[in-house]
Amino acid sequence: GENVEQHPSTLSVQEGDSAVIKCTYSDSASNYFPWYKQELGKGPQLIIDIRSNVGEKKDQRIAVTLNKTAKHFSLHITETQPEDSAVYFCAASRTTSGTYKYIFGTGTRLKVLA
Amino acid sequence: NAGVTQTPKFQVLKTGQSMTLQCAQDMNHNSMYWYRQDPGMGLRLIYYSASEGTTDKGEVPNGYNVSRLNKREFSLRLESAAPSQTSVYFCASITPPGRSSTEAFFGQGTRLTVV
Repeated sequence: GENVEQHPSTLSVQEGDSAVIKCTYSDSASNYFPWYKQELGKGPQLIIDIRSNVGEKKDQRIAVTLNKTAKHFSLHITETQPEDSAVYFCAASRTTSGTYKYIFGTGTRLKVLA
Repeated sequence: NAGVTQTPKFQVLKTGQSMTLQCAQDMNHNSMYWYRQDPGMGLRLIYYSASEGTTDKGEVPNGYNVSRLNKREFSLRLESAAPSQTSVYFCASITPPGRSSTEAFFGQGTRLTVV
């Protein structure tokens, strides 16, 4: 069935360093790939997304890359700050029944050490 | 989180009891979703609704029912709660495909414990 693998499960970086989180998806029909940040006790919040017709997208310190051939996509955070500490989820989705059906990765707990 | 309201925030049930989790959004979105979140397993889709009056099963629908009576509300019902349903439940409202930008809003979550 449809599956999204996410690595690593935990990641610790020094403040100011970069962090990279990688995801692999199985459904070749997936065409939309959002990333969410979840802080303790809150619901996930969309931070960046990319569509299948684009290879890279950047928003300030955050960037996402997509390799459709390999079915890989990655989140890159540069110049990390303590407030970046959270759990990050990737998702792969495709249109079905007139809407998107999202499959999420298992999450990466990012700790930024001051 | 702005736009999606879930109730209750916390609930303890005894095995076999029933309850309904309520979700409402005020963003006029067609699509709404119910997810459960368990440690180490990410978010798993229970049910979703592409529009008022339509619902579809997700990855883990067994033991749950949903109802989408109007565009604003999407409820999740546990008819006979089991300990395996102990989890954090999130409702989400997401804009449909084809838009120039995508909005995804999650509720604050319902922490359910079944004893």
